[in-house]
Amino acid sequence: DIVMTQSPDSLAVSLGERATINCKSSQSVLYSSSNKNYLAWYQQKPGQPPNLLIYWASTRESGVPDRFSGSGSGTDFTLTISSLQAEDVAVYYCQQYYSTPLTFGGGTKVEIK
Amino acid sequence: QVQLQESGPGLVKPSETLSLTCSVSGYSISRGYYWGWIRQPPGKGLEWIGSVAHSGSTYYNPSLRSRVTISVDTSKNQFSLNLSSVTAADTAVYYCARHDSSGYSSEFGYWGQGTLVTVSS
Repeated sequence: DIVMTQSPDSLAVSLGERATINCKSSQSVLYSSSNKNYLAWYQQKPGQPPNLLIYWASTRESGVPDRFSGSGSGTDFTLTISSLQAEDVAVYYCQQYYSTPLTFGGGTKVEIK
Repeated sequence: QVQLQESGPGLVKPSETLSLTCSVSGYSISRGYYWGWIRQPPGKGLEWIGSVAHSGSTYYNPSLRSRVTISVDTSKNQFSLNLSSVTAADTAVYYCARHDSSGYSSEFGYWGQGTLVTVSS
């Protein structure tokens, strides 16, 4: 299984400031023939299902604000919220879809400082 | 707009079988894509249970494979989850979701609201 490790477990950021969440996979999720990283990011607010933000590590889902961006390749990935808004308070998860079993990171809780 | 809705008992006794159905609207399952089940124990992270194609092909998490069956009923535009021999460790919110591409190696673009299943006598 590919183990996904997120850091930090939680972070508190002031409104308008940058939030950075890291995700590390236990093996590369870069598919060489397509040069695509099989990694997605989700946002989950309390009492709601996860909502897809980013796929292929850096492609923003339709309708997702451009303050959300994904970067990284191979085994190390980052989700950045460039200017934190109150509505961004949530838990964020990374997920690899390179191989089964599909696996998720443990989540990072983002709060307002 | 694709919508998914889970249904089934909210309480299951230990050693019995958990059965849930996901009803899909806004998209015909027979057209394609993979359809999956993911669970989330209270206060914890997400665990992929398995996925099924419109053809009935399935992929399961090895950690649950011996107890899981996922099936599809294209005539009802539904897919289902059966998890046998449940214990308290199976207590979770169960989500159904649609993969975002025709393969199972893809992200989940559409999710149901989730249903809490508690295993208790």
